[in-house]
Amino acid sequence: QVHLQQSGPGLVKPSETLSLSCIVSGDSINGYSWSWIRQPPGKGLEWIGYISYSGSTTYNPSLRSRVTISTDASQNQFSLRLNSVSAADTAVYYCARHSSAYDSWGQGTLVTVSS
Amino acid sequence: QAVVTQEPSLTVSPGGTVTLTCGSSTGAVTSGHYPYWFQRKPGQAPRTLIYDTNNKQPWTPARFSGSLLGGQAALTLSTAQPEDEAEYYCLLYFGGARVFGGGTQLTVL
Repeated sequence: QVHLQQSGPGLVKPSETLSLSCIVSGDSINGYSWSWIRQPPGKGLEWIGYISYSGSTTYNPSLRSRVTISTDASQNQFSLRLNSVSAADTAVYYCARHSSAYDSWGQGTLVTVSS
Repeated sequence: QAVVTQEPSLTVSPGGTVTLTCGSSTGAVTSGHYPYWFQRKPGQAPRTLIYDTNNKQPWTPARFSGSLLGGQAALTLSTAQPEDEAEYYCLLYFGGARVFGGGTQLTVL
């Protein structure tokens, strides 16, 4: 049973970079694709992007210029970086296993963008 | 970017049947959009009910089914139970990127 544990700060200042990690246990990160998804307060889910098993990335066009998803096989984890954040990026962020039809999710991290 | 539309809210009686739909601003939804359906309850992460139009995860109750209906993706809930009250989101594939619908709040009442 794969388990995803998210880590990262819950508060980020405007114009700075949001960084979250998702540690995978119970299975190797290799051979799977991994996603990040968010939900702003009072709004619906928003697909941020994913990194494939081959390392290629696909991002939401509305975030593409600011987002990077990467993997670290040595740590069996993958990460999200979102640059130049604003209040509009305040949301609960989720990591999930993209392949296997999103069968596993992290616990969610509320990230608030505020000075 | 495509816009994916869902009914904002629906109500179903316990034991009743309801169909949620998922449309695309680009035209008819097809199997090539690989429709997903997620259930989201307060305080919980979403969980996949249906993927690739009509495939179920091991935990998906038999009363949920997915299909294509009239140019849209559809999630049908038969014999609704009180525990089915939740938000439901569809997700469509658009040649790489994915887009969520706005979600449907389903009330079982």
